[in-house]
Amino acid sequence: GENVEQHPSTLSVQEGDSAVIKCTYSDSASNYFPWYKQELGKRPQLIIDIRSNVGEKKDQRIAVTLNKTAKHFSLHITETQPEDSAVYFCAASKGDNFNKFYFGSGTKLNVKP
Amino acid sequence: EAQVTQNPRYLITVTGKKLTVTCSQNMNHEYMSWYRQDPGLGLRQIYYSMNVEVTDKGDVPEGYKVSRKEKRNFPLILESPSPNQTSLYFCASSLTSGSLTDTQYFGPGTRLTVL
Repeated sequence: GENVEQHPSTLSVQEGDSAVIKCTYSDSASNYFPWYKQELGKRPQLIIDIRSNVGEKKDQRIAVTLNKTAKHFSLHITETQPEDSAVYFCAASKGDNFNKFYFGSGTKLNVKP
Repeated sequence: EAQVTQNPRYLITVTGKKLTVTCSQNMNHEYMSWYRQDPGLGLRQIYYSMNVEVTDKGDVPEGYKVSRKEKRNFPLILESPSPNQTSLYFCASSLTSGSLTDTQYFGPGTRLTVL
């Protein structure tokens, strides 16, 4: 099956700085890559996603890039704020119907005021 | 209010005592899924369902059963729980798992402890 690796496991940045989280995947057939944010004690929530026919997608301070050749994708958060502090998970899915999802192990982001 | 609900939210049980965690959504979603979350391992998919009476195994289905008799409900059954099933469980649903993938909405989670 698919194997998704996520780095770093923890990331500490100063408020206003940028944060980058990287994920690699093993199955070249994977074609859908969502990112989830999970605040402490809460449920995961989708923040952005990208499909394999797109190289980059942006939504305000959040962007995701995908390199299909290298089989890696990254989450970029600019102008970080304390409320960005959370655990972030990447995931990969494949097929015409995105039925199975494989998640990375998570990155705990701490934004220091 | 559109939501995914799970019950119970917390459960402490003993090895071998059958239990069911319920999941219900009020959004008429076709796709539903169960995940377990363990420290350092992220979320791992247990089972998923494309629609009523259609279920399939995820990455870690051993020791679990599911059923989808109604569109809104997707219960997770542990016939004989063991301590290694102690975990935080999330149910999720989305309108469809088709090519126009919709956001997966997660339930609040069920923290299960098996002694």
